[in-house]
Amino acid sequence: GEDVEQSLFLSVREGDSSVINCTYTDSSSTYLYWYKQEPGAGLQLLTYIFSNMDMKQDQRLTVLLNKKDKHLSLRIADTQTGDSAIYFCAESINRDDKIIFGKGTRLHILP
Amino acid sequence: GAVVSQHPSRVICKSGTSVKIECRSLDFQATTMFWYRQFPKKSLMLMATSNEGSKATYEQGVEKDKFLINHASLTLSTLTVTSAHPEDSSFYICSAPRGGNYEQYFGPGTRLTVT
Repeated sequence: GEDVEQSLFLSVREGDSSVINCTYTDSSSTYLYWYKQEPGAGLQLLTYIFSNMDMKQDQRLTVLLNKKDKHLSLRIADTQTGDSAIYFCAESINRDDKIIFGKGTRLHILP
Repeated sequence: GAVVSQHPSRVICKSGTSVKIECRSLDFQATTMFWYRQFPKKSLMLMATSNEGSKATYEQGVEKDKFLINHASLTLSTLTVTSAHPEDSSFYICSAPRGGNYEQYFGPGTRLTVT
């Protein structure tokens, strides 16, 4: 069945890079997403990658996809206090289809 | 840009009562909407797919008689939690795919507290 796994907690010093990892099981996943959720708030789509891509960079964010291993990562360069949030890895087969979420990684920023 | 709204944003109700949550697509039509539930410090769990003009499709383990979904129009889906219990307390989020665009738009969520 569909499953998305990610580590639950990550602690990083301000200014360092954060790397959040995710694995998924559905090989038919076409769209892979990273969402951000701040405390008490809704979901914010950070970035996405198509399954036929290996990498996507958007300002401080870099997404790497290893389709063979079904492994997705999100790197946040120069982590700031405002990056403190829960980051959800997610996947869907089609862009209009249901989205399956991982449990979320809580990113904690150390001063 | 496209926006999905939810109403109410917060609701407190007594056990045994029913609560209706609305999800609206504000500037686009959505034949399909999705309802998710998020427990504190947990992931979003897909509850059901709301289909305009037909019955909703529920995920395994979700009681369709407890969580009534009605997709009344191309811009409105409602989720009614019937005979609410404290264990129904949760954060309910809807989403709507716009079509012709990779992104699904998520509502801001509704926090339900059942006392």
